Amino acid sequence: DAGVTQSPTHLIKTRGQQVTLRCSPKSGHDTVSWYQQALGQGPQFIFQYYEEEERQRGNFPDRFSGHQFPNYSSELNVNALLLGDSALYLCASSPGTGIVEQYFGPGTRLTVT
Amino acid sequence: AQSVAQPEDQVNVAEGNPLTVKCTYSVSGNPYLFWYVQYPNRGLQFLLKYITGDNLVKGSYGFEAEFNKSQTSFHLKKPSALVSDSALYFCAGFYRDDKIIFGKGTRLHILP
Repeated sequence: DAGVTQSPTHLIKTRGQQVTLRCSPKSGHDTVSWYQQALGQGPQFIFQYYEEEERQRGNFPDRFSGHQFPNYSSELNVNALLLGDSALYLCASSPGTGIVEQYFGPGTRLTVT
Repeated sequence: AQSVAQPEDQVNVAEGNPLTVKCTYSVSGNPYLFWYVQYPNRGLQFLLKYITGDNLVKGSYGFEAEFNKSQTSFHLKKPSALVSDSALYFCAGFYRDDKIIFGKGTRLHILP
């Protein structure tokens, strides 16, 4: 049983560009959450998707948007990239919402130059 | 404001000795607390959680955590450290609206 998978592993973009990151949840999981982990920091919650809708959102600007597909996979889009967007982006899936442990993917390392 | 704090950036422990990684929280209502571990180039792995019930919670890989309401703490412990326990550990608080707030992490070094 595959766990949470993310693609690509690494990505280098230029300021002002747009990027799309992808996540496939663990089998049987229908909820996907996205986190940004800056170097030396803990993950910060970006948003959560359930039933193809954004349920909750952290303190991130509208440049960060997402989507969930009928097969529960998800995308994170970031527009007008800034240098400060350089980070490890983690996807986590869970069986439903609420107080359940989340299973994390290995992350996508985004570098903005 | 609701927050989770890990006061130590790094903890060094000799192999075979007991280890403690500290976490304190600030939250209104009943806290739901988690510990995760992160190995290099890998995502976070769930260790244990406290929701309600016994203050001592047992988790994966021999880890346990003690919830102390009066001290607002949720310290991670293990009776005998292994070199393979060396990793980055995160404490997290689960709040209303399903948002999780992570501490900044504590790097644990187990010395052979």
